Amino acid sequence: QKEVEQNSGPLSVPEGAIASLNCTYSDRGSQSFFWYRQYSGKSPELIMFIYSNGDKEDGRFTAQLNKASQYVSLLIRDSQPSDSATYLCAVDPAYQGGSEKLVFGKGTKLTVNP
Amino acid sequence: DTAVSQTPKYLVTQMGNDKSIKCEQNLGHDTMYWYKQDSKKFLKIMFSYNNKELIINETVPNRFSPKSPDKAHLNLHINSLELGDSAVYFCASSQVLRGQPQHFGDGTRLSIL
Repeated sequence: QKEVEQNSGPLSVPEGAIASLNCTYSDRGSQSFFWYRQYSGKSPELIMFIYSNGDKEDGRFTAQLNKASQYVSLLIRDSQPSDSATYLCAVDPAYQGGSEKLVFGKGTKLTVNP
Repeated sequence: DTAVSQTPKYLVTQMGNDKSIKCEQNLGHDTMYWYKQDSKKFLKIMFSYNNKELIINETVPNRFSPKSPDKAHLNLHINSLELGDSAVYFCASSQVLRGQPQHFGDGTRLSIL
């Protein structure tokens, strides 16, 4: 059973701080990793994806991947109240001949306090 | 110019009824998906279609039947609705190329009375 684990939180940080969200996955052959943000009552929205070991930065967001440790994280710098949402980690277990099947974690709820 | 659109947005119905949810994408993607998100917010794939062909069927009860008339549309028909079917159903689409991100519709909130 391919699994993706996240701390459900809630994770609470003050405005301006760095929020760190973590995710581990069980399938060592996984190749693609995604972070989605989901506001309450809304659909998941892609904010970052990463394929290679190391860091990938996009504005205030940095995704970090360590395939040896089967670990992917998302850092949000200068956190804003508008970042308050549930963050879903999604992993592509491996190419499955014609379609991609993402496995989602249960999400970490982030609250940024003004 | 909505990329992935679902209708209806809300669906309230009684146990035992049959209902359908429609999904359309205008992104030119060749793969479409149905996900179920339960009350605990866990998002789980139900079906995946690639160019109208069923690729993934994740042990979903036979009461759920997807239909893809063309690669831009994927509808979900549910027979004999049960209380446990209450959830938010999301349609998504992507290119089949490895690792391409999936784009989600706004969801259909299904409530069974």
